[in-house]
Amino acid sequence: EAGVAQSPRYKIIEKRQSVAFWCNPISGHATLYWYQQILGQGPKLLIQFQNNGVVDDSQLPKDRFSAERLKGVDSTLKIQPAKLEDSAVYLCASTLDRINEKLFFGSGTQLSVL
Amino acid sequence: QKEVEQDPGPLSVPEGAIVSLNCTYSNSAFQYFMWYRQYSRKGPELLMYTYSSGNKEDGRFTAQVDKSSKYISLFIRDSQPSDSATYLCAMSAGTGGGNKLTFGTGTQLKVEL
Repeated sequence: EAGVAQSPRYKIIEKRQSVAFWCNPISGHATLYWYQQILGQGPKLLIQFQNNGVVDDSQLPKDRFSAERLKGVDSTLKIQPAKLEDSAVYLCASTLDRINEKLFFGSGTQLSVL
Repeated sequence: QKEVEQDPGPLSVPEGAIVSLNCTYSNSAFQYFMWYRQYSRKGPELLMYTYSSGNKEDGRFTAQVDKSSKYISLFIRDSQPSDSATYLCAMSAGTGGGNKLTFGTGTQLKVEL
């Protein structure tokens, strides 16, 4: 079974630039999550999708972050404009459905904002 | 006060030692308790999954949950160098919470030869 795919693996940008991350969940997984993991901290949920609908985006900084999952499969997370404090690993995870607690994570995209 | 507290370590032990990793939490609504292992430059990998209080064993790993004390533990027996990683506890209130996980900060473990 293929895992959660994410790209790119690394990204370096300057502050105020924009950046986008891509995630393809495990086939058949209806629920998709984006987490932010700052160095030395645990992952923090940014947004949760059920199919192509948003379930929870309460911790997403909506003035600069946006995410979509248009066809209920792969997803894109965008930051525009980036700030220094956005430097982190952005992890995508998926699970069969929203009542299933077992999340499968991708390897993440490491973002450095200079 | 954070919802989930976890000692960041680092924790260094000799090969073969028994390792004890712990988390405390403040939200009594948490019902699902997980331990994830995260190798450097990789995403977290689910290691143990427990519902409510009690013990669960899987090979060299044992997870314990004490809801009355709001305290969970992960024990690793006969630790190996391949166990060197960061261990994250995670918790969820369950279906009602939409399985939103709250993570600890992670404990960095190094098992020395």
